[in-house]
Amino acid sequence: GENVEQHPSTLSVQEGDSAVIKCTYSDSASNYFPWYKQELGKRPQLIIDIRSNVGEKKDQRIAVTLNKTAKHFSLHITETQPEDSAVYFCAASMRGSARQLTFGSGTQLTVLP
Amino acid sequence: EPEVTQTPSHQVTQMGQEVILRCVPISNHLYFYWYRQILGQKVEFLVSFYNNEISEKSEIFDDQFSVERPDGSNFTLKIRSTKLEDSAMYFCASSDLGRGYNEQFFGPGTRLTVL
Repeated sequence: GENVEQHPSTLSVQEGDSAVIKCTYSDSASNYFPWYKQELGKRPQLIIDIRSNVGEKKDQRIAVTLNKTAKHFSLHITETQPEDSAVYFCAASMRGSARQLTFGSGTQLTVLP
Repeated sequence: EPEVTQTPSHQVTQMGQEVILRCVPISNHLYFYWYRQILGQKVEFLVSFYNNEISEKSEIFDDQFSVERPDGSNFTLKIRSTKLEDSAMYFCASSDLGRGYNEQFFGPGTRLTVL
């Protein structure tokens, strides 16, 4: 089955700096890659996703890049703010009905004021 | 904006007891999922459900687990005889496969504590 590796496990940045979180996946059949943000005690919230027919997607301060050949994808957050502090999970899924999401192990991002 | 809801928010039970966790998916969604997250760990897939039957299940989802859509709005996860290691946050999710991609929306979770 699919295996998703995520690095780093913790990341501290100064407010205003950029943060980058990287994930690799094992199954070349995966073609949907969402990123979730989870604040303490809350539900995972979808913040951005990318499909395998796209190399990059941007939404304001958040961007995701995908390298299908290398089977890795990354989350980029620019101009970080204290409210960006949370655990971020990457995930991978195959196209099709009711396919499971396989999650990475998560990155605790701390933005220092 | 519609959201997935779950009840209860916290369930405490004795080992060996049965528990039922309840979820109300987003109303026009057709695909439903249960995940669990042991404290401090990643979210793990348990089961997916479509058209009144299980689509996929993980090795975690053994004979002690079952799912049901008893009516047009609820989706339940039953654990027949709870074990200490079942203590976790259980998330329900739903999706509608718009444009063929599996955007899943999560509920707030039920924290299950097995004593």
